[in-house]
Amino acid sequence: AQKITQTQPGMFVQEKEAVTLDCTYDTSDPSYGLFWYKQPSSGEMIFLIYQGSYDQQNATEGRYSLNFQKARKSANLVISASQLGDSAMYFCAMTPGNQFYFGTGTSLTVIP
Amino acid sequence: DADVTQTPRNRITKTGKRIMLECSQTKGHDRMYWYRQDPGLGLRLIYYSFDVKDINKGEISDGYSVSRQAQAKFSLSLESAIPNQTALYFCATSDSGRGSVTEAFFGQGTRLTVV
Repeated sequence: AQKITQTQPGMFVQEKEAVTLDCTYDTSDPSYGLFWYKQPSSGEMIFLIYQGSYDQQNATEGRYSLNFQKARKSANLVISASQLGDSAMYFCAMTPGNQFYFGTGTSLTVIP
Repeated sequence: DADVTQTPRNRITKTGKRIMLECSQTKGHDRMYWYRQDPGLGLRLIYYSFDVKDINKGEISDGYSVSRQAQAKFSLSLESAIPNQTALYFCATSDSGRGSVTEAFFGQGTRLTVV
């Protein structure tokens, strides 16, 4: 069975500091994709970053980077230089095959 | 206009009523999904469709049905709404091109309240 685990229900970070949001996954499929989404209080789901299971390098998109450790089955999101607008729910997701499986999310609060 | 549009955005309905949530997309994607989001539970898959003739149950399909009227349209129905179906519902699309699944694109969500 496929599974995505986010163990941090809530996180706080000081503005301008970096923060790491944890995500572990479980799949027996050798080919899969890992995604992070942001959900601000307005409710929409915003795609942040993607990592393929065969990608050799960690994905980066601006202030977002994905720390992919395949042997440990972890795909942590690192946000550098946090901004107040980063306060939101963050979801990790996985696609082994044809479906998207989501974690339960981490609520991030950026403190001024 | 949004690439993935859900209607209505908000709905309050009574227990036992039938309700339909609609989703249309302009991205030309073949794959469409319906999720519900509950606090602390993340997003859970209700149904998904890979083309007009392909409909599949997700992990929580009981009490729901879907219809894929066209490649661009995928509707979700609650045959007889009950209060524990109160949730935020999302439609999403993705593309299976190039041999791998792209990211999912989400609609704005439908906030449904069953009283």
